[in-house]
Amino acid sequence: EVQLVESGGGLIQPGGSLRLSCAVSGFAVSSNYMSWVRQAPGKGLEWVSIIYSGGGTYYADSLKGRFTISRDTSKNTLFLQMNSLRAEDTAVYYCARVGVTTLSLGDWGQGTLVTVSS
Amino acid sequence: QSALTQPPSASGSPGQSVTISCTGTSSDIGGYNYVSWYLQHPGKAPKLMIYEVTKRPSGVPDRFSGSKSGNTASLTVSGLQAEDEADYYCISYAGSNNFVFGTGTKVTVL
Repeated sequence: EVQLVESGGGLIQPGGSLRLSCAVSGFAVSSNYMSWVRQAPGKGLEWVSIIYSGGGTYYADSLKGRFTISRDTSKNTLFLQMNSLRAEDTAVYYCARVGVTTLSLGDWGQGTLVTVSS
Repeated sequence: QSALTQPPSASGSPGQSVTISCTGTSSDIGGYNYVSWYLQHPGKAPKLMIYEVTKRPSGVPDRFSGSKSGNTASLTVSGLQAEDEADYYCISYAGSNNFVFGTGTKVTVL
């Protein structure tokens, strides 16, 4: 059974850092494309980042330089390192598997809430 | 990259059909056949309903269908049921390893 379980969210002060994790079971993170998507309270979905099976990483233009996506293949886990956090980064963060040939997000985690506030 | 444009809301009575549009540019929807659609119930994770413009994942009812013309993709839900009431989002590959979501549409079953 495929499962994606995010963790690491919480309350963080502006300017702080946080690392989100997405523990995956049922498939190998290393041989799949993986993405992070976020959703601010009461707002729509926003694509954040992708890591390809070959290791290439890409980000939404608005986030470049502050967020870093990575993976640990031994733990089959995806990460999102978030630095210099701002109030507007407050959102539920979802990890998702991206189809290699379809570029669609077929499997999602339940999300983890990040609140940036003083 | 600007968000794709969706109508904020759409509605229909049980059994009727509703069509949601998703308008982009030649750099995203118009340039690629990588448009997918997601249903999201309140407090839940999104669920893939349509991929590659017209294809349905296994388990998704054939009441859901997708299409594309130029820079606009569409999702049609036929034979509306109460459980179809949800938020719907489109997303398109936008080239240069970027993706862009639509603004979202709230579908109400009257």
